[in-house]
Amino acid sequence: EVQLVESGGGLVQSGGSLRLSCAASGFTLSTFWMTWVRQAPGKGLEWVASINQGGSEKYYVDSVKGRFTVSRDNAKNSLYLQMNDLTEDDTAVYYCARPRYLQFGHFDTWGQGTPVTVSS
Amino acid sequence: EIVLTQSPGTLSLSPGERATLSCRASQSVTNNYLAWYQQKPGQAPRLLIYGTSSRATGIPDRFSGSGSGTDFTLTVSRLEPEDFAVYYCQHYGNSPPYTFGQGTKLEIK
Repeated sequence: EVQLVESGGGLVQSGGSLRLSCAASGFTLSTFWMTWVRQAPGKGLEWVASINQGGSEKYYVDSVKGRFTVSRDNAKNSLYLQMNDLTEDDTAVYYCARPRYLQFGHFDTWGQGTPVTVSS
Repeated sequence: EIVLTQSPGTLSLSPGERATLSCRASQSVTNNYLAWYQQKPGQAPRLLIYGTSSRATGIPDRFSGSGSGTDFTLTVSRLEPEDFAVYYCQHYGNSPPYTFGQGTKLEIK
């Protein structure tokens, strides 16, 4: 079964850091671009970051550039999001997502999400 | 960067009725790279439509997508009780950034 499982979320103070992980199973992670999407409480979906298969290309939404770093370890079938200098605006459920096979940009596989709460 | 505007914000309909959801882009969407997702409370989004009009695996044929240029539509031909949810459109170019609309809530009348 194809599955993504996020972990690492929690409560952190403003200015703090968290590292999110996304464990992939049922497929070969190295075949796919991977993406992080977040959803603030009661709000819509926001694309956060994407990384190509080998990790050489990374893209970020403007609001997290310089603070968040997306990475991957294909040997461990894992995706990561290092989040530094967190603010209350980063409070959200963070999802990792995978596109359809050999496709890009639209996501047919999602994790259950991991909540991040940033307090002042 | 393309901005997507969905309308209406909330749509109140009864089971069995037809639902028409709109997504308007701030500039023309190339290659019809427009997707639709359904999200229920406490759940991750579910891909319904990609490439403007192709249904994802396992999606019932009562869901259909159409459009071109800047105007796109998701239609649910006959609403089932499980279809009441929030729907998002998404633009995906050849590379990021990817953008989502703000969502349309489809609620039971």
